[in-house]
Amino acid sequence: EVQLVQSGAEVKKPGESLKISCKGSGYSFTNYWIAWVRQMPGKGLEWMGIIYPGDSDTTYSPSFQGQVTISVDKSISTAYLQWSSLKASDTAMYYCARRSGRKGPFDPWGQGTLVTVSS
Amino acid sequence: QSALTQPASVSGSPGQSITISCTGTSSDASGYDYVSWYQQQPGKAPKLMIYDVSNRPSGVSNRFSGSKSGNTASLTISGLQAEDEADYYCSSYISSSTLGVFGTGTKVTVL
Repeated sequence: EVQLVQSGAEVKKPGESLKISCKGSGYSFTNYWIAWVRQMPGKGLEWMGIIYPGDSDTTYSPSFQGQVTISVDKSISTAYLQWSSLKASDTAMYYCARRSGRKGPFDPWGQGTLVTVSS
Repeated sequence: QSALTQPASVSGSPGQSITISCTGTSSDASGYDYVSWYQQQPGKAPKLMIYDVSNRPSGVSNRFSGSKSGNTASLTISGLQAEDEADYYCSSYISSSTLGVFGTGTKVTVL
């Protein structure tokens, strides 16, 4: 079964750093793009960025460029999303999703990681 | 890039059919052969329901169908059931972005 399993919920203070993960299994991890998506409380879905594990080619949405870092460790089939200094406005659910090719759909999705940033 | 426009809400009675529209700009229309639809039930991750405008992944009910005309893609749910109550998002590849763009989302209510 193809699946993406994300790390657990996090509670952090403003200014702290954080790295959340997304582990793929059941398929060739290096052959599919992995995207990260933000969903703020009660709001819609927003693309943050996408990485190709085969060569770490990464593209960020303009809204998130410089705000987060997307990386991958293909030796353990895991993608990461990290922040160096969290803000309260980073409080959201974060999903990873697998993409087939540059134009394909996103399937499957991880179960989501809830990040809460509060003093 | 601007989001694709969807109606905020659509409702219907059990057994009825409803249609959700997803409208983009003419400049992005060349990417609209790659429209996909996602269902997000309360407290759950999104799930792929339709890809490449009208294709259903294995395991998705044939009550869900997709189509496209010009700049507007549509998702139709026939034989509406209580379990269809969810938020639905369209997404499309667009030439100006590797990521593509999401729709604004539609809340489907089963009356």
